[in-house]
Amino acid sequence: AQSVTQPDIHITVSEGASLELRCNYSYGATPYLFWYVQSPGQGLQLLLKYFSGDTLVQGIKGFEAEFKRSQSSFNLRKPSVHWSDAAEYFCAVLRGGGATNKLIFGTGTLLAVQP
Amino acid sequence: DGGITQSPKYLFRKEGQNVTLSCEQNLNHDAMYWYRQDPGQGLRLIYYSQIVNDFQKGDIAEGYSVSREKKESFPLTVTSAQKNPTAFYLCASSPPTSGGIFVETQYFGPGTRLLVL
Repeated sequence: AQSVTQPDIHITVSEGASLELRCNYSYGATPYLFWYVQSPGQGLQLLLKYFSGDTLVQGIKGFEAEFKRSQSSFNLRKPSVHWSDAAEYFCAVLRGGGATNKLIFGTGTLLAVQP
Repeated sequence: DGGITQSPKYLFRKEGQNVTLSCEQNLNHDAMYWYRQDPGQGLRLIYYSQIVNDFQKGDIAEGYSVSREKKESFPLTVTSAQKNPTAFYLCASSPPTSGGIFVETQYFGPGTRLLVL
């Protein structure tokens, strides 16, 4: 069965430091992958997505993610974190390989930013 | 402005009561979804609808019901059969697809927090 794993429940970084949030998926074929961000008490906002093509994907707010098939990973990165990046981040994979638009979400990583 | 609205922001349910959560979108999206979010569990799919007058169960549909009478609206009813309804409920929608592949980005509303009295 398809699944998404976010190994880090909680991460704290200093403002201005670099960030990498991990995401691993299990799926036999090329997956459709997403990263969403959620501020407290709010809905989810799409940061970026990977459907095909270039494995390094650029998103909003200075985020990028790299799809690595050999490692079944789709890690999210940002070179310099801002205090406003404090939020919860969710990785998701589309199940069914395009036959349906249903998403499987990871359990999320909560990011805290120290001044 | 186009978007997805959910109401109310907070909802309280008494024992044995059915409550309905509203989800409206003016994005002209065909597909709509309901998710439940619990701490530490990510989002789980309750129901989804790809077209008006049609909907399918997701992974945790027991104790919930939906309707899709209009393209813009996808209300969720939490019935008395749902024994643990306290959660954050998120509605989402996605635009029409092409090429026979149902793959499109989902856009989320701001959520409704349901609490049991």
